Amino acid sequence: DTAVSQTPKYLVTQMGNDKSIKCEQNLGHDTMYWYKQDSKKFLKIMFSYNNKELIINETVPNRFSPKSPDKAHLNLHINSLELGDSAVYFCASSQDRGRKLFFGSGTQLSVL
Amino acid sequence: GESVGLHLPTLSVQEGDNSIINCAYSNSASDYFIWYKQESGKGPQFIIDIRSNMDKRQGQRVTVLLNKTVKHLSLQIAATQPGDSAVYFCAENGNSGYSTLTFGKGTMLLVSP
Repeated sequence: DTAVSQTPKYLVTQMGNDKSIKCEQNLGHDTMYWYKQDSKKFLKIMFSYNNKELIINETVPNRFSPKSPDKAHLNLHINSLELGDSAVYFCASSQDRGRKLFFGSGTQLSVL
Repeated sequence: GESVGLHLPTLSVQEGDNSIINCAYSNSASDYFIWYKQESGKGPQFIIDIRSNMDKRQGQRVTVLLNKTVKHLSLQIAATQPGDSAVYFCAENGNSGYSTLTFGKGTMLLVSP
């Protein structure tokens, strides 16, 4: 049983395209997150949702739009992809905000 | 702004040695700290956490030490094994209004057989 699952694992696309990454958690957690990990392994928070409501929106271009249809899902849609968007994107969830996060296995996005 | 951790260093040890991975934090308001292990191609996995009202916590083969006076966190791994080879991250919760974890830059641990 995968606690936090995200798809796809790999995403290769051209500049200017629009793509989505899906995330689902079966832990019953109230809070979900998207983190971006750059080539130097630095993990940076992008968004956080609590019970479908946005609670954190760090300095992220508005080309990135999270969508939470229910508290078990948090999808990430990216418009007009740029080369600099290439990174590994991790979905995570936690029962309590700012406490132990459970991470998905990541989506490696490559923009060509 | 506040930050956690150091530049990504590499720690190389021999199998069976004890490993110590260090992390400096600067947000004195943080009340929760955590260590993660990330293997190649995988997401970060929880190792151990500690609240600010404690200075030591032990798990299986791992110990976390918290020194609030000097804002320092360390992870000790006993009898290090090749399977412990990974990138290790510390994180704190004092930024973003305690709503999420802020991660340090990670330490690569390499264990030789």
